[in-house]
Amino acid sequence: AQKITQTQPGMFVQEKEAVTLDCTYDTSDPSYGLFWYKQPSSGEMIFLIYQGSYDQQNATEGRYSLNFQKARKSANLVISASQLGDSAMYFCAMRVFNSGNTPLVFGKGTRLSVIA
Amino acid sequence: NAGVTQTPKFRVLKTGQSMTLLCAQDMNHEYMYWYRQDPGMGLRLIHYSVGEGTTAKGEVPDGYNVSRLKKQNFLLGLESAAPSQTSVYFCASSYRVGVSPNTEAFFGQGTRLTVV
Repeated sequence: AQKITQTQPGMFVQEKEAVTLDCTYDTSDPSYGLFWYKQPSSGEMIFLIYQGSYDQQNATEGRYSLNFQKARKSANLVISASQLGDSAMYFCAMRVFNSGNTPLVFGKGTRLSVIA
Repeated sequence: NAGVTQTPKFRVLKTGQSMTLLCAQDMNHEYMYWYRQDPGMGLRLIHYSVGEGTTAKGEVPDGYNVSRLKKQNFLLGLESAAPSQTSVYFCASSYRVGVSPNTEAFFGQGTRLTVV
């Protein structure tokens, strides 16, 4: 069964600096997708970025990039030039594609606080 | 563009009462999910469905039942509510792998349930 681990319950970063949120995963399936979601204090879940296991390049979406290291089974989210509005909970999630009908599984999340 | 709509948004139940949470999506997604979110626990999968008429158990299914009679609707039932079921409940939906390159899940706004 797949598993997602986020080892940082909370992180602080100075405004305008970059920050890396860690995510490791475990699966024996070669085909899978990794996702990052943001949950601001208002509570909604916002999709940020996606990385497929066969993608040759690391995914990027604006200030978000995914540092994908397949051999280490890690999919860290990098936020560049942090803004106060980036303060939120961040969740890493995974979905396995080859094993039939598998659901999306989440880690426990990391709370990011951006300091002015 | 409604996306994923959850009803109700807030509810207070007495121990032993029953209720049904309704999730509706208008994106023609095959997959639908129910998660619960508790502090420090991330999002835990309760039940999910890979298509009309099919459901499967997730990580924490006890005390809940689900039904997917129509593709666009996914119902979560609590037959006899307990204080341990106090939580924020999220519904989500996504395409089946292979139907679309977009495999991320879209979330409803959440239902805050308190059982007293």
